[in-house]
Amino acid sequence: DIVMTQSPDSLAVSLGERATINCKSSQSIFYSANNRNYLAWYQQKPGQPPKLLIYWASTRESGVPDRFSGSGSGTDFTLTISSLQAEDVAVYYCHHYYVTPPTFGQGTKVEIK
Amino acid sequence: EVQLVESGGGLVQPGGSLRLSCAVSGFTFSTYWMNWVRQAPGKGLEWVANMNQDASEIYYVDSVKGRFTISRDNTNNLLYLQMNSLRADDTAVYFCARDSQDSSGNRHAALDSWGQGTLVTVSS
Repeated sequence: DIVMTQSPDSLAVSLGERATINCKSSQSIFYSANNRNYLAWYQQKPGQPPKLLIYWASTRESGVPDRFSGSGSGTDFTLTISSLQAEDVAVYYCHHYYVTPPTFGQGTKVEIK
Repeated sequence: EVQLVESGGGLVQPGGSLRLSCAVSGFTFSTYWMNWVRQAPGKGLEWVANMNQDASEIYYVDSVKGRFTISRDNTNNLLYLQMNSLRADDTAVYFCARDSQDSSGNRHAALDSWGQGTLVTVSS
């Protein structure tokens, strides 16, 4: 199985500052035939289901604010929140869907400093 | 509006069984891959199972193979998860989730819609 490892496990960022979450896969999740990375990012707030933010590593889901962006390729990926807002406090998960079983990172908790 | 509503969770003894249901509306259920994902209390997300539109492709995480069965009723827009031989480590909130598709109907397997989840507690 592909192991997804996120870093850090938690971070505290001041309002309006940048938050950066890293995700590393144990093998490449890039498919050269279609030039795509099979990587998604989700946001989960307490008591709620996860919400899809980013797919194909860098494509923002409809309705997601543009302060959220995804980057990376192969095995190393990043979710960036360019200017942290109070409503962004949540746990963020990366998720590969390259092969079965799809797996998730352990999650990164984002808080306000 | 896309809606997924799980039901069927509850308290069950080790070795027992439960059947979860997920009622969907707001989209053409029969054209989507569907998934079950679980989350143990205070823990991360774990994909459990998925199936394609006509049930010709079904996959499970190793830890539930032989114990859980995913199925669907495309007439009534329902997804099921039959869980047998339940263990304490199956305790979790179980979410149903839809695979995403592009505008041409091509699946890309990020999970774009989720239900609120139903809690399964396995304990004596």
